[in-house]
Amino acid sequence: DTAVSQTPKYLVTQMGNDKSIKCEQNLGHDTMYWYKQDSKKFLKIMFSYNNKELIINETVPNRFSPKSPDKAHLNLHINSLELGDSAVYFCASSQVSGETEAFFGQGTRLTVV
Amino acid sequence: AQSVTQPDIHITVSEGASLELRCNYSYGATPYLFWYVQSPGQGLQLLLKYFSGDTLVQGIKGFEAEFKRSQSSFNLRKPSVHWSDAAEYFCAVGGGATNKLIFGTGTLLAVQP
Repeated sequence: DTAVSQTPKYLVTQMGNDKSIKCEQNLGHDTMYWYKQDSKKFLKIMFSYNNKELIINETVPNRFSPKSPDKAHLNLHINSLELGDSAVYFCASSQVSGETEAFFGQGTRLTVV
Repeated sequence: AQSVTQPDIHITVSEGASLELRCNYSYGATPYLFWYVQSPGQGLQLLLKYFSGDTLVQGIKGFEAEFKRSQSSFNLRKPSVHWSDAAEYFCAVGGGATNKLIFGTGTLLAVQP
């Protein structure tokens, strides 16, 4: 049983399109995150939700909109995709924000052409 | 501000040799420290973590790390490296009011026969 699962694994799309990435965790954790990993493998947090409430928004363009319908799900919607959005996006969850280990999904490789 | 530095971008070791990957952190309070490993095309897997107590922590796959407050370091070690250990290794710090994990830039480990 996968602890943190995200779909799709690969996403290739044209500039200007809108796309969504879905994430689900079955660990019963209260906190979920989205991280972006760039081509140099640098991991940067984008958003953090605790019990469906946004607690971190790290100066991400407002074309990115996270949605948490319940504490087990955190989806990421991206409007008007740009070339620079190409990256691997990781969903993660943890029991306590920043104080317990985060469990990561397998990542979604987004390529904008 | 909290930060993590991994001074070595790329390290190559021979199979069977010992390994030490360096990690230095900047954090105002007692940090929560983590080491993660990322194999190509995969998500991040937790190797070990330090919250409090014994400063030498044991992790999975034969890895250990030592927390040294005086040096603000949390170096990862393994006495004998296996070819399957070739991967990207990330140090991370979290805790308190940060509500997030802050990652270092990673160290790419290559293992030669």
